[in-house]
Amino acid sequence: EDQVTQSPEALRLQEGESSSLNCSYTVSGLRGLFWYRQDPGKGPEFLFTLYSAGEEKEKERLKATLTKKESFLHITAPKPEDSATYLCAVSAGGTSYGKLTFGQGTILTVHP
Amino acid sequence: EADIYQTPRYLVIGTGKKITLECSQTMGHDKMYWYQQDPGMELHLIHYSYGVNSTEKGDLSSESTVSRIRTEHFPLTLESARPSHTSQYLCASSKSPDGGTEAFFGQGTRLTVV
Repeated sequence: EDQVTQSPEALRLQEGESSSLNCSYTVSGLRGLFWYRQDPGKGPEFLFTLYSAGEEKEKERLKATLTKKESFLHITAPKPEDSATYLCAVSAGGTSYGKLTFGQGTILTVHP
Repeated sequence: EADIYQTPRYLVIGTGKKITLECSQTMGHDKMYWYQQDPGMELHLIHYSYGVNSTEKGDLSSESTVSRIRTEHFPLTLESARPSHTSQYLCASSKSPDGGTEAFFGQGTRLTVV
């Protein structure tokens, strides 16, 4: 069974204080690892797709990296508007063919 | 910006009523999903479809049903709503049927059954 575990559950940062969010995964035949941002009461907003170990993607203050067992979302000099829940999801082959499995998310709060 | 739309955004309905949650996408994606999410909790897959006339049950057991008569449309129906169905329902679509590409989500329908 595919599993995705995110840590920490919640993270409070001061504006400008850089940090990282972790996503550990166990899947059979990774097809893709996805990061999303979700604001309260809204649907998840797509951020990044990573396919293979060593791959990195960047967007503004966010950088996502991937190893064979986990992914990190690095946030550099965050601003209050970066406050949201960040979700990690994986897609695998085998019996999970084509299905997305989500972690429980990390609630990020950035204080001014 | 993703072109996937859900209606209604909010729905308050009495127990026993039949409801249909609408989901449409204009991206021509073959793969579509329905997820259920309670406040502060993770997303759980309840239904998915690989294309027209294809529907599969997800990991979370649900009393809802879905249909896929057209590529762009993936409605979810509850024949008799109950308070336990109160939740947020999120629709998504992706280009690749094997899950190799990202999924795009609608804004969700917040359902309250009283």
